[in-house]
Amino acid sequence: GAVVSQHPSRVICKSGTSVKIECRSLDFQATTMFWYRQFPKKSLMLMATSNEGSKATYEQGVEKDKFLINHASLTLSTLTVTSAHPEDSSFYICSAPGTSGRKQYFGPGTRLTVT
Amino acid sequence: AQSVSQHNHHVILSEAASLELGCNYSYGGTVNLFWYVQYPGQHLQLLLKYFSGDPLVKGIKGFEAEFIKSKFSFNLRKPSVQWSDTAEYFCAVNAGTSYDKVIFGPGTSLSVIP
Repeated sequence: GAVVSQHPSRVICKSGTSVKIECRSLDFQATTMFWYRQFPKKSLMLMATSNEGSKATYEQGVEKDKFLINHASLTLSTLTVTSAHPEDSSFYICSAPGTSGRKQYFGPGTRLTVT
Repeated sequence: AQSVSQHNHHVILSEAASLELGCNYSYGGTVNLFWYVQYPGQHLQLLLKYFSGDPLVKGIKGFEAEFIKSKFSFNLRKPSVQWSDTAEYFCAVNAGTSYDKVIFGPGTSLSVIP
């Protein structure tokens, strides 16, 4: 079946630095990918829709200058958390729709800790 | 815009008890419906999905869900839970058009007591 990977799986960074998280569709192409954020014991909150070849679409309340999204190719989307602060610590998950478009394939997530 | 609500925040059951987790969504058009499970420390797994056809869908691990269009509901059921079913359960929906974003409900934490 379709597989989505994320790298890194865990990252610890200092306040004020930037962190890049990669999301790859391993055996299929994805013109659209989605980025979610999950706080401990909470649900997944959609942050943005990543579109290959065009700007990402951000959900209300998500700072586009803070969470930079680049969909460089049909198999790769990146999320860069700029000038990270401790409150950005979270679990970030990406997903991509499969060939039919209906089913989403989720990555394993990236645990970000900002100290 | 779509939204999803789940009836229970936390459910505690004894082993062998029956389970039903409520899920309601709001969206006027055609929808695809999902239940995901997240075991402690693990990532999301798809339990089952409804796209069209038979409103009673069967998933993995003995779970099933029934889509009732008139009630905008998609409740998850299992006749007899096991300790290993302890996890977070998320109902999710996306619009019937392809490639749309998935919106998640707030989740229900299930604790099964041996």
